[in-house]
Amino acid sequence: EAGVAQSPRYKIIEKRQSVAFWCNPISGHATLYWYQQILGQGPKLLIQFQNNGVVDDSQLPKDRFSAERLKGVDSTLKIQPAKLEDSAVYLCASSLGTPRDTQYFGPGTRLTVL
Amino acid sequence: SQQGEEDPQALSIQEGENATMNCSYKTSINNLQWYRQNSGRGLVHLILIRSNEREKHSGRLRVTLDTSKKSSSLLITASRAADTASYFCATDARGNNRLAFGKGNQVVVIP
Repeated sequence: EAGVAQSPRYKIIEKRQSVAFWCNPISGHATLYWYQQILGQGPKLLIQFQNNGVVDDSQLPKDRFSAERLKGVDSTLKIQPAKLEDSAVYLCASSLGTPRDTQYFGPGTRLTVL
Repeated sequence: SQQGEEDPQALSIQEGENATMNCSYKTSINNLQWYRQNSGRGLVHLILIRSNEREKHSGRLRVTLDTSKKSSSLLITASRAADTASYFCATDARGNNRLAFGKGNQVVVIP
């Protein structure tokens, strides 16, 4: 079974630039999550989709972050404009149903904002 | 918002020894999960324990849950160098449809 795919793996940008991350979840998984993991901390949920609807985006900084899930499968997360404090690893995860199910994580995208 | 907090933050042990780490949380939960993260395999789910369970085993892993103390422990027996990683607990709080991760325990197993 193929895992969660993410790209790119690494990205370096300057502040105020924009950046986008892509995620392809495990086939058949209804729920998709984007997490932000700052160095030395645990992952923090940014947004959660159930199929192509948003279930929870309460911790997403909506003034600069946006996300969409196309046709209930792939998802993109965008930051525009980036700030220095956005430097982190962005993890995508998927699960069959709810967060109570096991979540399967992708390798992450390491973002450095200069 | 609820968040698991692991203790201790960093642990260094010899191969073959046991490693124990703890997690505390603040509110009622549906379940608690432990994840491992290392550079080679990313973040991987280890074990889930439900609020009505007190102990669970999976291979060399043993998890306990004490809901009266709002705490959990993860024991790794007969540690191996490959167990070197960060370990996170994550709580699924009642009424809150998301996982909240703690800050993690860094475990180093010395061959």
